[in-house]
Amino acid sequence: AQSVTQLGSHVSVSEGALVLLRCNYSSSVPPYLFWYVQYPNQGLQLLLKYTSAATLVKGINGFEAEFKKSETSFHLTKPSAHMSDAAEYFCAVSPFGNEKLTFGTGTRLTIIP
Amino acid sequence: DTAVSQTPKYLVTQMGNDKSIKCEQNLGHDTMYWYKQDSKKFLKIMFSYNNKELIINETVPNRFSPKSPDKAHLNLHINSLELGDSAVYFCASSSTPEAEQYFGPGTRLTVT
Repeated sequence: AQSVTQLGSHVSVSEGALVLLRCNYSSSVPPYLFWYVQYPNQGLQLLLKYTSAATLVKGINGFEAEFKKSETSFHLTKPSAHMSDAAEYFCAVSPFGNEKLTFGTGTRLTIIP
Repeated sequence: DTAVSQTPKYLVTQMGNDKSIKCEQNLGHDTMYWYKQDSKKFLKIMFSYNNKELIINETVPNRFSPKSPDKAHLNLHINSLELGDSAVYFCASSSTPEAEQYFGPGTRLTVT
């Protein structure tokens, strides 16, 4: 079985500041890990994914995430927040790719002007 | 061009009614999914079809019945709607069960 825990249901950062959204996973087999973004009233869009290749994964819109097996973490970061980054972010895990994605409860990111 | 589309976008109905939500993808994908997102934004998979065959069927009341007339469509029919069915329902598709999923814009269902 697999599960995902996202620490912090709401995160606020100032425009231009570092964005850090936390995700810890639990999986009985090597996981595939994903970050999705959901803008208001829209569907989910894939930001990036880890599929057992490089541990540092770069995604769209300047986001990146690092897979740390020892910490069972896959935190999402962006060096400089932009107003357009305000959205809901979901971490997800899957044991064999995307066949059965298990999502975290989401983190709402607010950007302070 | 819309990759994954859902209709309707909003659906308001009364308890006990039967309703359907349609999903179409023009990506040529073989695998399609239905997810339910509740009021707390928790997102959970309901069904998955690959080449029109059911491959994932989570613990969902049998009032929910997915139907895939062809690989490009996966419709969700709900019988005897209940208040707890109120949620946003997302359709998604992928080229294979292991590939990246593309999500539709969602259908907000409100049961009164």
